[in-house]
Amino acid sequence: GNSVTQMEGPVTLSEEAFLTINCTYTATGYPSLFWYVQYPGEGLQLLLKATKADDKGSNKGFEATYRKETTSFHLEKGSVQVSDSAVYFCALSEGFTGNQFYFGTGTSLTVIP
Amino acid sequence: KAGVTQTPRYLIKTRGQQVTLSCSPISGHRSVSWYQQTPGQGLQFLFEYFSETQRNKGNFPGRFSGRQFSNSRSEMNVSTLELGDSALYLCASSSRQGNTGELFFGEGSRLTVL
Repeated sequence: GNSVTQMEGPVTLSEEAFLTINCTYTATGYPSLFWYVQYPGEGLQLLLKATKADDKGSNKGFEATYRKETTSFHLEKGSVQVSDSAVYFCALSEGFTGNQFYFGTGTSLTVIP
Repeated sequence: KAGVTQTPRYLIKTRGQQVTLSCSPISGHRSVSWYQQTPGQGLQFLFEYFSETQRNKGNFPGRFSGRQFSNSRSEMNVSTLELGDSALYLCASSSRQGNTGELFFGEGSRLTVL
């Protein structure tokens, strides 16, 4: 079956620190991979995505590379800001006949000044 | 362009009651999905509708049901509520039929069952 495992939180970092949130997946086919972010009091929104192996998704200084050989899609940012404080969700979709997404449990990030 | 709208935003029910939640997708989006979000389980897929047809269904009991109307608006219903149904219910819409489509989420309906 399909599943996503991501690093448990919460994670607390100082401003300008390097961020890595680990995500690994299990899939029966060739999924697309996503990172969603949920800011306090807001709905989930797409942060970045990659649709095939070796693709790199990037947005707002965040990056993640689709690694088929290690079934991973780790999220990284070189220098976090206070405004990056949020919950981050890794997800996969393999729905050739639909939009069923599988989400990780989320990683809460707090960035302190 | 208006986003995904969910109503009501908050509601409190008691065990045994039933509840109906509503979702209006982004204009032009024909796919609507529902997810249950809880602190311990994260986001769990409930079901997805496309052009009024249920395409996928998650692993939830039959007390959870949904439907989609011709204007793509969707409702989900939970009957015989249990304490464990307390959660944030998220609706998401998408314009794509395949697996590379982005999901656009609403802010959710927070259900508390007493």
